[in-house]
Amino acid sequence: QKEVEQDPGPLSVPEGAIVSLNCTYSNSAFQYFMWYRQYSRKGPELLMYTYSSGNKEDGRFTAQVDKSSKYISLFIRDSQPSDSATYLCAMRLEGAQKLVFGQGTRLTINP
Amino acid sequence: KAGVTQTPRYLIKTRGQQVTLSCSPISGHRSVSWYQQTPGQGLQFLFEYFSETQRNKGNFPGRFSGRQFSNSRSEMNVSTLELGDSALYLCASSSQGWGPDTQYFGPGTRLTVL
Repeated sequence: QKEVEQDPGPLSVPEGAIVSLNCTYSNSAFQYFMWYRQYSRKGPELLMYTYSSGNKEDGRFTAQVDKSSKYISLFIRDSQPSDSATYLCAMRLEGAQKLVFGQGTRLTINP
Repeated sequence: KAGVTQTPRYLIKTRGQQVTLSCSPISGHRSVSWYQQTPGQGLQFLFEYFSETQRNKGNFPGRFSGRQFSNSRSEMNVSTLELGDSALYLCASSSQGWGPDTQYFGPGTRLTVL
């Protein structure tokens, strides 16, 4: 079983829809949680970064962490075709730089 | 600030050869991590360097090695290339490498082994 599980999709939604992306993890010691966006043939770009349970909002993006359930989510409101990319969840332990990634979810927003 | 840069962007090698990839972190960043990305395995951690010392290593064979220079630039080397080493190699840098430090990725080097 992988430490971080993420549905690879693909996920296809119409423009303007609310998108929900999720990851579950098995190691309760993970302290820092990130969402990266990766366009084709590019490096991952940091979108959201949280280190406590609860919600964090940045523009159209909301990251949610539930440490008791070992579950994190990313919500995208008013989705745009430019949001079409692969979304990767990542997490790490306190005191370590090693990021453990989910498999990534390929998202397509249809105009 | 300029982002993380990686050179070369594309490489084609044949089995048995060796290859060296280069990474320049964001100015002022002292921690550099390397990752391998493949369609089957996703993103996997190779190793991390801080102040010229390897602090963490992932579960890869000894053919994969790296080093960091005093200016924080880093190189990784893969010897005796195998077909399965074809991947996107990503470098990420962070400021201090601990606490709530965030990692910023470069564009990657795409290595194809024939």
